Amino acid sequence: DTEVTQTPKHLVMGMTNKKSLKCEQHMGHRAMYWYKQKAKKPPELMFVYSYEKLSINESVPSRFSPECPNSSLLNLHLHALQPEDSALYLCASSQEPTLAGGYEQYFGPGTRLTVT
Amino acid sequence: AQSVTQLDSQVPVFEEAPVELRCNYSSSVSVYLFWYVQYPNQGLQLLLKYLSGSTLVKGINGFEAEFNKSQTSFHLRKPSVHISDTAEYFCAVSNNDMRFGAGTRLTVKP
Repeated sequence: DTEVTQTPKHLVMGMTNKKSLKCEQHMGHRAMYWYKQKAKKPPELMFVYSYEKLSINESVPSRFSPECPNSSLLNLHLHALQPEDSALYLCASSQEPTLAGGYEQYFGPGTRLTVT
Repeated sequence: AQSVTQLDSQVPVFEEAPVELRCNYSSSVSVYLFWYVQYPNQGLQLLLKYLSGSTLVKGINGFEAEFNKSQTSFHLRKPSVHISDTAEYFCAVSNNDMRFGAGTRLTVKP
């Protein structure tokens, strides 16, 4: 199984809502990532979890809160978002952290988030 | 610091024609290089990667890339494209973290 799954596929939320994005992989990968992708742009790294510990936070606003409950699951909790946060949110995993070198990342299909 | 430059933002080509998508990288240390493809409303899918060894790397869907250390390039090629190859293509370099290029939009016309 080389699949990374993400739910929901689409999400529309108001600026006062609280919602969560979910990501799951069963490949035994020890690193998981959240990316934000705006239209016609490359993915921008948000967070990296390495062995279930947050290892990289790319200066992401606190209205985004990641969580790694176990080695297979990654959540992104959303609260008080702004319209400019509307984007495709991609989850990825790799066998080992990228810092170790040479490990490709496997991407999920993404969650299309719209903030109204 | 490492970075990637994709030299063409858009590449239009006719079906069954050859195509080359250009990628240059900069890094002060050894790097690992990747090409990903993204179809509309989907995540990224790995096409191929260069870690070490042979400089010609073959990937999925008939794509290949050549690592050229002296020119710091990792261009992606396909001898004959199909309509279904229409997508966004990202070159990426990995050392401490993975850096993506801006992307090249390949449009294959009938």
